[in-house]
Amino acid sequence: SQQGEEDPQALSIQEGENATMNCSYKTSINNLQWYRQNSGRGLVHLILIRSNEREKHSGRLRVTLDTSKKSSSLLITASRAADTASYFCATVLVTGANSKLTFGKGITLSVRP
Amino acid sequence: EAQVTQNPRYLITVTGKKLTVTCSQNMNHEYMSWYRQDPGLGLRQIYYSMNVEVTDKGDVPEGYKVSRKEKRNFPLILESPSPNQTSLYFCASSSGRQNNSPLHFGNGTRLTVT
Repeated sequence: SQQGEEDPQALSIQEGENATMNCSYKTSINNLQWYRQNSGRGLVHLILIRSNEREKHSGRLRVTLDTSKKSSSLLITASRAADTASYFCATVLVTGANSKLTFGKGITLSVRP
Repeated sequence: EAQVTQNPRYLITVTGKKLTVTCSQNMNHEYMSWYRQDPGLGLRQIYYSMNVEVTDKGDVPEGYKVSRKEKRNFPLILESPSPNQTSLYFCASSSGRQNNSPLHFGNGTRLTVT
């Protein structure tokens, strides 16, 4: 399976600290995406990084991709209580006319005020 | 406002009673998909549709049906629900193929089958 596996499963930090979440996968991919889910709500897309990119930034988010290690990391800087949520990585593999997006099981981030 | 709308948000039903969960998007997206989310298992794809009248099985299609008669709608049908289909369901859509298009999710439907 190409399913991404996030690490750690749960993370608890103090407001203002940085949060680093990791995702590993098994097969070649076309891109990797990170999503956030607030409790019981739909997932919200955060950032997409293509296989030929190594790093992307969006506001307080920084995503890296290492295709040689088949891993990605999501860094949230200067965390806030509102960042408390579950975070999912999703890998996309395109084969011919089809594309397959597969989610990991998620990381639960708690930011303490 | 661009959105994916699912209905109902909550549904409690009994085993064997057919039900439909509706999904509609107003972004003219070609791709639509259904997922179920269960504790410890993450999101698993049930069915997806690349365009009107084109549907394909995802990873866990058993016990579900879908249809895509119009671009904006992608209903999920449970002909004979069973308790193991108790779950949180999400509909999602994206423009074109997923190689560069993020998914937009609905707010979910929490289904309980007794």
